[in-house]
Amino acid sequence: QKEVEQDPGPLSVPEGAIVSLNCTYSNSAFQYFMWYRQYSRKGPELLMYTYSSGNKEDGRFTAQVDKSSKYISLFIRDSQPSDSATYLCAGSNTGNQFYFGTGTSLTVIP
Amino acid sequence: EADIYQTPRYLVIGTGKKITLECSQTMGHDKMYWYQQDPGMELHLIHYSYGVNSTEKGDLSSESTVSRIRTEHFPLTLESARPSHTSQYLCASSESAAGVNEQYFGPGTRLTVT
Repeated sequence: QKEVEQDPGPLSVPEGAIVSLNCTYSNSAFQYFMWYRQYSRKGPELLMYTYSSGNKEDGRFTAQVDKSSKYISLFIRDSQPSDSATYLCAGSNTGNQFYFGTGTSLTVIP
Repeated sequence: EADIYQTPRYLVIGTGKKITLECSQTMGHDKMYWYQQDPGMELHLIHYSYGVNSTEKGDLSSESTVSRIRTEHFPLTLESARPSHTSQYLCASSESAAGVNEQYFGPGTRLTVT
């Protein structure tokens, strides 16, 4: 069983839509979580970092962690064509070694 | 934008050649990592370092080796490249302060072994 599962998509939405990206994880000891955005042929760019359960908001992005169901989410409000990318989730129990999902490909259509 | 650099960005090389992928960061981070990324697959950790003269193998078995002689530099070496080594290699770094775990990635090196 993979440590982190993520639906690869692809996901296609119209500009301005609210996007919900989701991951599940198997290790109940995970308490550190990250979301990355990766454009084609680029390295991943850190979007959000959260510790334990709860929500964290940064501009149009909200990260949510539900440890009871081992479910992590990233919401993007007012999506823009520039948000078109692959989004990676990651989790860790120690904060040192992170386990990554396969990424969800998102296209925002103008 | 993170100050972490990788060279070369693209490399095409023949089987059996020795190659070194360079990674350097100017943020003073103690922790550095090498990941392998293939299309449609998750990032796999192949090596990591928590400081100078500290290196460990990650979860993914790899025929590569690393060294950490300077804080800012974490090169990865393949002694004899094979087509199975064709992949994207990503370097990352993070601080070692307690509770600070964000990893910042370089742009990657796309390696093709013919």
